[in-house]
This record gives sequence, structure tokens and C-alpha cells, in this order.
Amino acid sequence: EIVLTQSPATLSLSPGERATLSCRASQSVSSYLAWYQQKPGQAPRLLIYDTSNRATGIPARFSGSGSGTDFTLTISSLEPEDFAVYYCQQRTNWPPIFTFGPGTKVDIK
Amino acid sequence: EVQLAESGGGLVQPGGSLRLSCVASGFTFSSYWLSWVRQAPGKGLEWVANIKQDGSEKYYVDSVKGRFTISRDNAKKSLSLQMNSLRAEDTAVYYCTRGGYLRFDGWGQGTRVTVSS
Repeated sequence: EIVLTQSPATLSLSPGERATLSCRASQSVSSYLAWYQQKPGQAPRLLIYDTSNRATGIPARFSGSGSGTDFTLTISSLEPEDFAVYYCQQRTNWPPIFTFGPGTKVDIK
Repeated sequence: EVQLAESGGGLVQPGGSLRLSCVASGFTFSSYWLSWVRQAPGKGLEWVANIKQDGSEKYYVDSVKGRFTISRDNAKKSLSLQMNSLRAEDTAVYYCTRGGYLRFDGWGQGTRVTVSS
């Protein structure tokens, strides 16, 4: 079973700052890594899929990168609406079984 | 616009059963894998089950195998999750999602399931 670890657990930043979120897998995973944003009381929203592709309607300040076991979500300049919890997610090669990381909370400093 | 609307949540005693439903609109329902993802109170996300477009393949997280059954009706654009032998640890908000082959790109607002005596 592949375990995803996200760091840091909490990231305290100010609007306009750059956020760098890490997702590490316990073993090498495919490029089918995705990132989601969840705000309090709301359903999650897909941000990034296949490591680096932005989902429909996602602003360009969100970007993803990585390979193997180490993946990164970067928010180039935090907007007030970006303070939320972010989850990474991976899929096994086959069958399509999914795992989420524990999440990183980005809060206002 | 992808719209997914869950229903059927509620309070149930341990060992009881519940059936969740999800009605979809805004996309070609029969063309997509679909999934249920849950979130326990104050916790992270956990994928529960997924189902192929024609219903021929279904997969489950180990903790629900043998207790939960996912199904779909493409004519009615609906997804279901039959949950039997419910446990306290099944308490969560259950989300219906579009996807389940590579990622989840559409989410409902969720339905809350509480398992408690």
C-alpha cells in the first residue's frame, strides 16, 4: 500500500507570499498525482491533475511539479481565497485504487 | 456544469444499513467512472469505492469490502452506495464524485452519515 505524506501540516503565510506544499509517497508512484483544495464547509475541488496540469478554471498561480516519490504544489502569490486545506491524491497502476494525503492547511499569518 | 446531488444520509445504529443516492446532471453520465469519497469529522479524505461506466468493474477500499456495494443506473443518471453492517468508524460526510479512473473532477456537496447508538 502506498502512503502519502504531506508537509508541512500547517503553513502560515501572508497574502502575496509564495506557498510551497510537499507530497511524498512511500514508493514511486505514477504521474497520476492530483491536488485538491477544500475550504471549510465545502466539497473539495480539483486543482491539479497528472502532476502538473491545471484543472478547468484554476488560476495560473497554482502549479504542480514532481516525479517518483516527491511532488510539489506551488501557489505563486497567495490570494485571500487560497487559504484552505490542500490534499494530494494518487492512484495505483491497477486496479484503480486511490489514496489521499493527510492534507496541508494554509492559514493566514 | 457538473452537478451532483447526494441524499440518503442520516443517523443509524451500529450494525444497521443505509443507502446513499446521487443524481447527476450537466455531463454525459454514462461516459464516466464514478466514485464515493468520504470524510470523517475533522479528518481527511478517504476514497471508498468506484464503478466503471457500464458497471462491469467495481473496487472498494479494504475497510468496506463485503459491507458496501456501489451501483449505478445510467438511464436515471444515478449512483448509489448500499452500506450494511455499519460501524462507528463509517461516520463521515460521503461525497459523490465524477471520476474514479484517474482523479475526481466533480464533487457533490456531500451527505452526512452518523453511526451511533
